Amino acid sequence: RKEVEQDPGPFNVPEGATVAFNCTYSNSASQSFFWYRQDCRKEPKLLMSVYSSGNEDGRFTAQLNRASQYISLLIRDSKLSDSATYLCVVKRRAGKSTFGDGTTLTVKP
Amino acid sequence: EPEVTQTPSHQVTQMGQEVILRCVPISNHLYFYWYRQILGQKVEFLVSFYNNEISEKSEIFDDQFSVERPDGSNFTLKIRSTKLEDSAMYFCASSENSETQYFGPGTRLLVL
Repeated sequence: RKEVEQDPGPFNVPEGATVAFNCTYSNSASQSFFWYRQDCRKEPKLLMSVYSSGNEDGRFTAQLNRASQYISLLIRDSKLSDSATYLCVVKRRAGKSTFGDGTTLTVKP
Repeated sequence: EPEVTQTPSHQVTQMGQEVILRCVPISNHLYFYWYRQILGQKVEFLVSFYNNEISEKSEIFDDQFSVERPDGSNFTLKIRSTKLEDSAMYFCASSENSETQYFGPGTRLLVL
């Protein structure tokens, strides 16, 4: 079983749609959780950290369920510029971060 | 806004040659990382570095790989004898507190 599993995608949605990405992780000792976005052939860029209480940043909402070992990202009112690959990242301790395979989103006009 | 920089942006080398990839982390950061991403695949952890020593490394980071912080600003990844399968994008990242990591733009390595 993969350490971090994401929705395989791709997701193709119209502008203005709401889209949700899911991620599960297998190691219950995981401590920190993040969503990054990656544009084609570019570096991953931090989108947001994910906390148990849930957190929101504008149109983006992230949730963490430690009991289910599940992380989600919700994008509301999607824009063309949201088209990217979204990476779920799980960190066990000060060293290693484990990346999911990524879910590709294409927002169409 | 401070950012991680990497040089070169592209490197082409012959199989068996040594390459050194360079990174300048964000200046007040204390934790440094290398990742690689083979074309079409996911980002994979290679190594983390803190307090002038490796804190963790993956099974990919074998004896062919080494890291160094030769001065107060640079962080390097050396591949001693490159193989075809080392062709990938190599990302450096740094972190102030070992939590949030900021990535550099990457070096695209092609081994022929």
